Amino acid sequence: KAGVTQTPRYLIKTRGQQVTLSCSPISGHRSVSWYQQTPGQGLQFLFEYFSETQRNKGNFPGRFSGRQFSNSRSEMNVSTLELGDSALYLCASRRTGGVQNIQYFGAGTRLSVL
Amino acid sequence: AQTVTQSQPEMSVQEAETVTLSCTYDTSESDYYLFWYKQPPSRQMILVIRQEAYKQQNATENRFSVNFQKAAKSFSLKISDSQLGDAAMYFCASIQGGSEKLVFGKGTKLTVNP
Repeated sequence: KAGVTQTPRYLIKTRGQQVTLSCSPISGHRSVSWYQQTPGQGLQFLFEYFSETQRNKGNFPGRFSGRQFSNSRSEMNVSTLELGDSALYLCASRRTGGVQNIQYFGAGTRLSVL
Repeated sequence: AQTVTQSQPEMSVQEAETVTLSCTYDTSESDYYLFWYKQPPSRQMILVIRQEAYKQQNATENRFSVNFQKAAKSFSLKISDSQLGDAAMYFCASIQGGSEKLVFGKGTKLTVNP
């Protein structure tokens, strides 16, 4: 079974631009969560989607948004990029039912904002 | 609010020896889960071991085991017979039951010396 797939692996953008990151969950997983990882702040929860609905949101500005499609694939968007948005963005998926609360992570997208 | 603290930024161990990584957490909830994740240089976050708070028995997975001290809110990871492939960042994390938000510690960088 394929794991969580994130594309692209690397991105370079300039301040003020916007960016879209993609996440394909493990087949059968309907919950997708996004995390930002930086050396200073560590791993921080961005938001979680289930059945195309955002259920939870972390403490990030409105420039960070996301969505989920009917096939459970998810995208996150960051508008008006700032230098501080440079980070590793991780996506995780979870199967509902069965063993609860285990999130499986992708390899991440490394975003560099210049 | 949940918090997770890892007090050891870096640890090292000789190959084939045993090492223990420390983690303390704080939560007001009675229903929660604790995890150790491993992040090698490839960036893929890999689940090492999981513990349900309501279970008194310590979880084990092959060479990995935990010492879960609920009253002390301590959740340490023991790696036995350390291998070169164990070298990575190790993150302790907690999640409340019914939530999708993983709260991570800052991580411990483990070096395995041949």
